[in-house]
Amino acid sequence: NAGVTQTPKFQVLKTGQSMTLQCAQDMNHEYMSWYRQDPGMGLRLIHYSVGAGITDQGEVPNGYNVSRSTTEDFPLRLLSAAPSQTSVYFCASSSVGSGGAKNIQYFGAGTRLSVL
Amino acid sequence: GDSVTQMEGPVTLSEEAFLTINCTYTATGYPSLFWYVQYPGEGLQLLLKATKADDKGSNKGFEATYRKETTSFHLEKGSVQVSDSAVYFCALSGQAAGNKLTFGGGTRVLVKP
Repeated sequence: NAGVTQTPKFQVLKTGQSMTLQCAQDMNHEYMSWYRQDPGMGLRLIHYSVGAGITDQGEVPNGYNVSRSTTEDFPLRLLSAAPSQTSVYFCASSSVGSGGAKNIQYFGAGTRLSVL
Repeated sequence: GDSVTQMEGPVTLSEEAFLTINCTYTATGYPSLFWYVQYPGEGLQLLLKATKADDKGSNKGFEATYRKETTSFHLEKGSVQVSDSAVYFCALSGQAAGNKLTFGGGTRVLVKP
């Protein structure tokens, strides 16, 4: 019963390096999203997707890219890491449609990223 | 735009004490409201939700009532346990927002034996 799986759990980067944070879900959810969590600011939406081939920007998209080639996977790419991107990153997924199941988002355990 | 404001922590309580975490929101129309909980080292998980005015969400002894007139969704628990130590997030999903959630800043709760 995997749910939403994120890798890696921890990562340290140097300024200017690139990397990809992986996210996979096995619940056949159409909607997937990436958030960053910073102290006192809650979670802020970076990018989201409502299905394979469809992505859109959230509240804080600058410096991040995403793609959605399959229903299961939604990787987040940092093209040139900056110290301001030091944060904890969470991936989430949910079903789409009417009814009580809509909007119940299932979260991964997070990736803690430090950019030096 | 939509926003959520919740009381800052940390909140430190003794076991069996009463817990209240205030949450107010700004949104157009009739959003859905949520409380998520984050235990140490884990991701967020849904604690409870309410989708229309006067609905009461409840789970694991926690309750919150959707108050449209005061735009509030305060979380309460009558008798907390050490295992309730966590960070609690209030969130909303606007009517036109699809699945997108807007979160409050989170409130850390520490329950001491």
